[in-house]
Amino acid sequence: DIQMTQSPSTLSASIGDRVTITCRASQNIDNWLAWYQQRPGKAPNLLIYKASTLESGVPSRFSGSGFGTEFTLTISSLQPDDFATYYCQQYNSNWGYTFGQGTRLEIK
Amino acid sequence: QITLKESGPTLVKPTQTLTLTCTFSGFSLTTFGVGVGWIRQPPGEALEWLVVVYWNDDKRYRPSLKSRLTVTKDTSKDQVVLTMTDMDPVDTATYYCVHLGAPGTASFDYWGQGTLVTVSS
Repeated sequence: DIQMTQSPSTLSASIGDRVTITCRASQNIDNWLAWYQQRPGKAPNLLIYKASTLESGVPSRFSGSGFGTEFTLTISSLQPDDFATYYCQQYNSNWGYTFGQGTRLEIK
Repeated sequence: QITLKESGPTLVKPTQTLTLTCTFSGFSLTTFGVGVGWIRQPPGEALEWLVVVYWNDDKRYRPSLKSRLTVTKDTSKDQVVLTMTDMDPVDTATYYCVHLGAPGTASFDYWGQGTLVTVSS
């Protein structure tokens, strides 16, 4: 199956900072990569699909990039609402869907 | 407006079978390209995809759990039912019903609120 590895596991940052989270796939997934935000006690919320397409209604400070095995989620200027846990998710026609282990973004 | 809601037991005993129902609105599981899935999350842990059922009744299961999972759809009731056999305490988790995004997105764009299932004797 395909493993997804996120780094870092925890990230401390301040309001207004630019932050980047990385997700690596154990094999090529082209651009079948999505990103989600999850706040405590809530269901995840889709941010980005196909590696770089912003879901409708998601603020433009979120962006995604990458292809193949390495992907990034960038938040250009952190806002208070952004402190949450972020997950990447891949799709492969043979193995289905897999999530990364999550990156917790906390206030410095 | 798409909504999904999970229902079922909050507590099951080890070795029992879990049955969860997802009742949805705002879309039809007879429409080309539509899919509904289940994803779970143990307390404090990461998300784990379980299964997706598609409009054409194609089903994709998590390979490691395939022998324990069954998913069915009832388009007349707008429901999807998940059964998981031989429950174990490690299956304690919040179970989410999800809507698969438009064809070509390979992502889950709507989520139910989730239901916490505890496995304990």
